[in-house]
Amino acid sequence: AQRVTQPEKLLSVFKGAPVELKCNYSYSGSPELFWYVQYSRQRLQLLLRHISRESIKGFTADLNKGETSFHLKKPFAQEEDSAMYYCAHAPLDSSYKLIFGSGTRLLVRP
Amino acid sequence: KAGVTQTPRYLIKTRGQQVTLSCSPISGHRSVSWYQQTPGQGLQFLFEYFSETQRNKGNFPGRFSGRQFSNSRSEMNVSTLELGDSALYLCASSLDGMGEQYFGPGTRLTVT
Repeated sequence: AQRVTQPEKLLSVFKGAPVELKCNYSYSGSPELFWYVQYSRQRLQLLLRHISRESIKGFTADLNKGETSFHLKKPFAQEEDSAMYYCAHAPLDSSYKLIFGSGTRLLVRP
Repeated sequence: KAGVTQTPRYLIKTRGQQVTLSCSPISGHRSVSWYQQTPGQGLQFLFEYFSETQRNKGNFPGRFSGRQFSNSRSEMNVSTLELGDSALYLCASSLDGMGEQYFGPGTRLTVT
């Protein structure tokens, strides 16, 4: 079954520390992968997608097909990065849907 | 432009009743998807509509149904409500169902 795994429910770091939110997917084809973020009292929104290869708010994510991973990284965490982060996968053979991971809550402490 | 809107925002129903939730997509978006979010199961895909046609359906019982109108607005219906249907129901829209989806604020359904 197609699955997205985020092993950490909670990641707590201090401001200025590096952050890595882990995401692994199970899909043998060419995946389309996303990171969505939900800040407190706000709606779920796209942070970045692997196709665009952009850096948004200092975050980057590299697709590693060998390890089937799409980890989200930021070199220096800020307090405003505290939020719920979801990794999501859109299988290309049955598109029009997103398969979400269970989410990781990032807490950046001052 | 205005974002995705969902009505109502909160709903309390009794077991056995039915409920209809509404979603208005971003203007110009023709694809509407629905997701159920619960603490135990996380975010799960319900179904997706494009031009009034259901193109994909998640693994939910037939009590969950939906439709899309010619103006791309969508409704989902849950019949014979069960306690386990208590959840946040999210609607998302996109231009064509591929790529970025824009989420609404959700409808919080509580079944008692």
